[in-house]
Amino acid sequence: QTVVTQEPSLTVSPGGTVTLTCGSSTGAVTSGYFPNWFQQKPGQPPRALIYSATNRHSWTPARFSGSLLGGKAALTLSGVQPQDEAEYYCLLYYGGAWVFGGGTKLTVL
Amino acid sequence: QVQLVQSGAEVKKPGASVKVSCKASEYPFTNYYVHWVRQAPGQGLEWMGIINPSGGTTTYAQKFQGRVTMTMDTSTSTVYMELSSLRSEDTAVYYCARAASSGNSYASVDYWGQGILVTVSS
Repeated sequence: QTVVTQEPSLTVSPGGTVTLTCGSSTGAVTSGYFPNWFQQKPGQPPRALIYSATNRHSWTPARFSGSLLGGKAALTLSGVQPQDEAEYYCLLYYGGAWVFGGGTKLTVL
Repeated sequence: QVQLVQSGAEVKKPGASVKVSCKASEYPFTNYYVHWVRQAPGQGLEWMGIINPSGGTTTYAQKFQGRVTMTMDTSTSTVYMELSSLRSEDTAVYYCARAASSGNSYASVDYWGQGILVTVSS
């Protein structure tokens, strides 16, 4: 069973920078996994942020950036704002099937 | 603008089946895959499967194989997800989400439905 791993929780100060990661039990995450990142706030559907590891959607603020880092997909938030407090999920492609990470709860404090 | 509008909440008894819908609008229906994703109360997102409206091919998560069926109706731009042999652990919000099937944004998941709460209770 494939497992996608994310940090369960992270805390960042307003204005700070934080990096969330997304790893795979099968090995290094590459562009072929088509990493997608989503933000979800309580009571709302997820909102798409990043696709294909590095590409922002038209509505994604520039302070969100995606990369491949050290064998993992990464989501970096720069100049964090209070409204960025949310749960963040990554989604990876495994040749037909997809798997979500367990999510990272980001606290802005 | 692009919309995925899902059907209303459902309450089912254990052992029953549920069929929920996701109606797409304002984009070429057959040019985008549709994922189904669920979220149990207080839990994370769980990928259930995907359907390609251009042809109807499907891929299901191993966990749901044999219990889930995804179909579509191109005449109404609607995809359906049916889950059978329901148990209490299937109580969750069920989402549909669109993903590009070609081009530079291939596999990008962008728009989501509003979600459907399915409650399984005796």
